[in-house]
Amino acid sequence: QKEVEQNSGPLSVPEGAIASLNCTYSDRGSQSFFWYRQYSGKSPELIMFIYSNGDKEDGRFTAQLNKASQYVSLLIRDSQPSDSATYLCAVNKSSGTYKYIFGTGTRLKVLA
Amino acid sequence: GAVVSQHPSRVICKSGTSVKIECRSLDFQATTMFWYRQFPKQSLMLMATSNEGSKATYEQGVEKDKFLINHASLTLSTLTVTSAHPEDSSFYICSARDRGGWGDEQFFGPGTRLTVL
Repeated sequence: QKEVEQNSGPLSVPEGAIASLNCTYSDRGSQSFFWYRQYSGKSPELIMFIYSNGDKEDGRFTAQLNKASQYVSLLIRDSQPSDSATYLCAVNKSSGTYKYIFGTGTRLKVLA
Repeated sequence: GAVVSQHPSRVICKSGTSVKIECRSLDFQATTMFWYRQFPKQSLMLMATSNEGSKATYEQGVEKDKFLINHASLTLSTLTVTSAHPEDSSFYICSARDRGGWGDEQFFGPGTRLTVL
C-alpha cells in the first residue's frame, strides 16, 4: 500500500463545474496535509494546507480532512480551464521533521 | 513573500562532469531545505533534507557521495551532482521551510532541469 494515494486521472470536468480531488494516506499519525498544483514543466505551488478535521475554504478552493477515514480532498468550485494541471497531495507524517510524502498526483482537465 | 529561487534553471552537461545547483530563500530564513527529483510523469521524490550548519539527511537509496549537499547559510543550500550520467537527467526541485513560520508549509523553487548527454 502506498503511503499517499491519489487517482492519477485524468479527471475531466466542464468549465464552471466543481472538481473533486481525493487523497488517502496510510499513516494514522499524520499531522498536516497539503495540496499543491503543478503545471507541466513547472514546480509545485501551494494551494492549501489543512491540519484539523473538517473543511477549510479559501476562495474557490475547499480542503476537507477526515482523519478517522484517513482521507483529504480538494474541491475546486467554478472550475476554469486555467485550473487544468496536476494536483499533488502531500502529507507530513509527524511534526518536527517537516518531511512530505507526496502522492503521484491527479491530472485535472477543465473543458471549455 | 516566501520566494525560493534556483539557479540554473536549465543545464546540459557531458557525462562524467559535476553540476552544482543553488537554492536560495529570498525573503525568509530557512533552517531546513529539501531536495526533490522528479522524472517525467512521476511524482516528486524526496532525495534529502538539508539542515543549516549540519550534515544533510539522505533518503534511502540516494547516494550521498554522488549528491553532495551543502547548507552553509540560512538562505542557501547547494546540490552538486558529481560525475553525472544520463540516468541522472531529471527535474531537480528544492523547497524551503520558513524558519519564522508557524506551520509546516514548504515553498518550492522553480526547479532545475538537468540533461546529461
